[in-house]
Amino acid sequence: AQKITQTQPGMFVQEKEAVTLDCTYDTSDQSYGLFWYKQPSSGEMIFLIYQGSYDEQNATEGRYSLNFQKARKSANLVISASQLGDSAMYFCAMREGRGGGFKTIFGAGTRLFVKA
Amino acid sequence: GAVVSQHPSWVICKSGTSVKIECRSLDFQATTMFWYRQFPKQSLMLMATSNEGSKATYEQGVEKDKFLINHASLTLSTLTVTSAHPEDSSFYICSAEGTADQPQHFGDGTRLSIL
Repeated sequence: AQKITQTQPGMFVQEKEAVTLDCTYDTSDQSYGLFWYKQPSSGEMIFLIYQGSYDEQNATEGRYSLNFQKARKSANLVISASQLGDSAMYFCAMREGRGGGFKTIFGAGTRLFVKA
Repeated sequence: GAVVSQHPSWVICKSGTSVKIECRSLDFQATTMFWYRQFPKQSLMLMATSNEGSKATYEQGVEKDKFLINHASLTLSTLTVTSAHPEDSSFYICSAEGTADQPQHFGDGTRLSIL
C-alpha cells in the first residue's frame, strides 16, 4: 500500500532562516510523482513544487527546493529565507498510476510557524 | 496558470437537505477530477475519482449513494451530498488534472455545515 509520512506535526522557524520539512514515502512503483502543497488558514491548496521519480536533479522553485533522495524514499521540502507569510500547513503528496489513471494521496501535514 | 473554480465556498443548511458542490476547470479540459474531504487539522482524504463520461471510482469506506458524483463534461464535476446530516459537516475540496505530468490544481474548497 502506498503511504506518505510526515513526522513533524509542527515546526517553528525564525524569519529569514531556512527550514526543512520532512517527508518519506513508500511505494513499489517505479514511476511516481511527489508534490508539496501549502494550505493557509483560508483553506486553499497552493501547489509549491513537483519532483518526478525519474528526475535526476532536485526540483527548485524560487525559495522552495526539494531534497529528493530516491534510495531513502524521502522528499524533504526546504524553504529558504522564511517569511511570515510562509506560516501555514504543508502537505507532501505522492501520485501513482492506478488502473490506467492516477491517484494522489497526502501526508498528515506539518504546520509551520514563522517567528518574527 | 490553470484555474479551478469551486462553488459554493460556504454552505449552511438543515439536516436532511441535499447539497450540490460544483467544480469547474476554467482554462483547461480536465479528464479527471478528484474530490477530497478534510476534517479540521487533518489531512485531505480522497473520497472519489471522477472521470468524464464514466462512473466515479469511490475510495473504500465512502458511500457512493451518499456522495453522488457527476462528471458530465470535461470542465465540470459535481458532488452532491444527499440527505446531509451533521456528521457530513466538513471541508470538501476538488481538484482537476489535465495530463499525467501536471500537478493537480485545486478549487478553493467548500465549507459545509449541517445544522
